[in-house]
Amino acid sequence: GESVGLHLPTLSVQEGDNSIINCAYSNSASDYFIWYKQESGKGPQFIIDIRSNMDKRQGQRVTVLLNKTVKHLSLQIAATQPGDSAVYFCAESYYNQGGKLIFGQGTELSVKP
Amino acid sequence: GAGVSQSPSNKVTEKGKDVELRCDPISGHTALYWYRQSLGQGLEFLIYFQGNSAPDKSGLPSDRFSAERTGGSVSTLTIQRTQQEDSAVYLCASSLAWRLIQETQYFGPGTRLLVL
Repeated sequence: GESVGLHLPTLSVQEGDNSIINCAYSNSASDYFIWYKQESGKGPQFIIDIRSNMDKRQGQRVTVLLNKTVKHLSLQIAATQPGDSAVYFCAESYYNQGGKLIFGQGTELSVKP
Repeated sequence: GAGVSQSPSNKVTEKGKDVELRCDPISGHTALYWYRQSLGQGLEFLIYFQGNSAPDKSGLPSDRFSAERTGGSVSTLTIQRTQQEDSAVYLCASSLAWRLIQETQYFGPGTRLLVL
């Protein structure tokens, strides 16, 4: 049968600008959240994670914000570079699920030089 | 420093044949996960190992899928009587022992399976 691929949401930004990628998660009991970057033909690469007892966490050029009230997660990338072009996935888990991750659909980030 | 490795990187098979996919986790990681990523889609959980036991097999799509882990290290995902809808990238991840808090999962490069 015919297979139909999903059209990923796409974010296009200019090099040097800041990027914000958003994610809505589904389970109010989730207590761990993680962002992965996936380049074409490669496995997901860990970017940053956050636990539910925090609302913000910063890494190198990246910040994750967690709003548990509205079940929303965001990834901010400062001074976006062409090498940041990839698909970004958010994922959630909760402790009595053995650590399995539930992934979001993904957002494709395209950085224009 | 070795990361998670998977083999083969690509596999083309004919419908009805069996395939075995291998995962070598990061040394010292006792938790191991298998996920599947269909074309243009997110990752779908298949099965999780803690040591050699699999407490959660809830994501395996059918009884044609099975997995085992021996020696608390290498894991093999087996798909019997492959179907075209099994075509996907199969990803393995590992993490330190899962206790009361989640540990970061690190992914391998995946095995790209194409069933003709």
